[in-house]
Order: sequence, then C-alpha cells, then structure tokens
Amino acid sequence: TQLLEQSPQFLSIQEGENLTVYCNSSSVFSSLQWYRQEPGEGPVLLVTVVTGGEVKKLKRLTFQFGDARKDSSLHITAAQPGDTGLYLCASEGLNQGGKLIFGQGTELSVKP
Amino acid sequence: NAGVMQNPRHLVRRRGQEARLRCSPMKGHSHVYWYRQLPEEGLKFMVYLQKENIIDESGMPKERFSAEFPKEGPSILRIQQVVRGDSAAYFCASSPSSVSGNTIYFGEGSWLTVV
Repeated sequence: TQLLEQSPQFLSIQEGENLTVYCNSSSVFSSLQWYRQEPGEGPVLLVTVVTGGEVKKLKRLTFQFGDARKDSSLHITAAQPGDTGLYLCASEGLNQGGKLIFGQGTELSVKP
Repeated sequence: NAGVMQNPRHLVRRRGQEARLRCSPMKGHSHVYWYRQLPEEGLKFMVYLQKENIIDESGMPKERFSAEFPKEGPSILRIQQVVRGDSAAYFCASSPSSVSGNTIYFGEGSWLTVV
C-alpha cells in the first residue's frame, strides 16, 4: 500500500512569509492532488498534477511534481491569514480512480 | 449545480445507538465514496459504491458498519451500536466515473460524536 508522508506536520508563520510543504512517497504516483481543508468543512481540490516535472500555479500557490513522480511540493508566496488551513496531498491507488490515499496533512497557521 | 450534500452535519449519539449518515452526490454523478477522518489522523477511504452496488469496501471496519447506494435516494452510511471510537468526521465524495484522474468532489462532512 502506498504511503504518503507530508512535512512539516505543523507550520505557524507570519503574514507575508513564504513557505513550502512537501509530500513524498516511496512509490511512483499515478497522479497527485493537493487539497485544502478548513475547520468544519470538507477538503477542496486545489490542483492535480500528472506529469513528472510539472509545475502549476494558482495565484500565490505553486505546485511542483517531481521528475520521478515520487514527490511533490506546494509553495505559498507572501502567505496571508486566509491561507490558514489543513493542506492535504492525495494519490489514487493503481487503477483505482476515486479511491484516494491521503497524507496526514500539514496544518498551516498564518498570523496577521 | 449543487455540490455533494451530506446530512446531518452534526450528530450526537449515545453508546450503543445507531447512526445513519446520508449523502446525495452531485447531479450526474453515479459514483460515491465514503471517507473517515479521525481526530489527529488523516482521511481514510472506507467504501466505494455505485448505484445498487458496493464496488470496494476494503476500508470498512468488519463489524457494525454498512453502506448502501440505492437506485433511488441518497447513499447511506450506517453505524450500528456506536462506540466512542466511532467519533469522527465522515466525508462523502462523488464523481461521474471511476476513471483514473477524474476529479472527485467532497461534501462538507458529517461530524459524529458518541457520548
């Protein structure tokens, strides 16, 4: 069973700082998704990366997929309090669309 | 286009009672997934259903838990004789198909508290 490890588990920073969250696996990802979850709500999909070396940008968020498709990172530039939340990476099992394996998440707190 | 609808959002049950959680998938979606998020743990897959069929229940506890997705009506996750360890957030998700790479959409969750 593929395991996803996220780091750091907790991150508390000041508004305006940059940060990077990592997601790693010992196995190759078929694809990788990043979600953001706010307290009391469900996860919301931010991005899906499929191709090794792929880089996607979503406003101040930059997502990278490792060349070997075994790791991914999420970089946030000039973090804002509204970025606070739980960031989760997830991957599908082989030939198991919809059955996602989630990392344990990174709890981000951005203080004004 | 309404999203994935779950109810109740919050449910309190005493030990030994039954909990029923309902999920209506997005319009046009015939694939439903249930996930559980325990305190201090990540989201874990429980079960994958299509209309009237359980496709994969490899994440379901062997006892007390069952799920269905009838031809008409919402999908239901049923927990019999609840125990304190069942206290968690239960999320339903849906997708139009099971094709790899297809986006699945999550509901806002049902928070079960067992007292």
